[in-house]
Amino acid sequence: KNEVEQSPQNLTAQEGEFITINCSYSVGISALHWLQQHPGGGIVSLFMLSSGKKKHGRLIATINIQEKHSSLHITASHPRDSAVYICAVRISNFGNEKLTFGTGTRLTIIP
Amino acid sequence: EPEVTQTPSHQVTQMGQEVILRCVPISNHLYFYWYRQILGQKVEFLVSFYNNEISEKSEIFDDQFSVERPDGSNFTLKIRSTKLEDSAMYFCASSVLGSSGTGEQFFGPGTRLTVL
Repeated sequence: KNEVEQSPQNLTAQEGEFITINCSYSVGISALHWLQQHPGGGIVSLFMLSSGKKKHGRLIATINIQEKHSSLHITASHPRDSAVYICAVRISNFGNEKLTFGTGTRLTIIP
Repeated sequence: EPEVTQTPSHQVTQMGQEVILRCVPISNHLYFYWYRQILGQKVEFLVSFYNNEISEKSEIFDDQFSVERPDGSNFTLKIRSTKLEDSAMYFCASSVLGSSGTGEQFFGPGTRLTVL
């Protein structure tokens, strides 16, 4: 069983739509990352969360520690948002700094 | 803005050859990581490095792999005798602090390794 599950695996939407990507995890964590991977392969960190909600521009990330669930929202989506969005968690073991990754959600925004 | 850099961006090698992938972490960062992503699969942890020693490694990180911080800036991953299944994108990452601090990891652009 994967420790980090994302849904949906693929998402196609029209420009302007509100996008939600979900991440569920099965272990105790100290932090959760949302990452963006473009077709060239590079990974960009969007957010790191340990509680509550963060907002950056049109991106919003929320986390519910009790339910072991996080969401990434994109408002007013644009074709340039097309990418793979990856959820990754840092598990709550002292000294364990590694990230465990989900399989990613491939987002395609159609003009 | 400071960033993690990696060289080369693409490395092609013959099976059995040694390769060294290089990373320059962000200058005030103390924790360093290597991850890999086989084409079409999720990113996997290889190794973490702190205070000049390995702090954790995965099952993937066998005796063929080694890491080194040869000077104050570079962080390298060496694969001694490459196999076809080592073909992947390798990402370096660094963070200022571990779980006692923010611990946010910043990723390099990756090195695509192709083993023929």
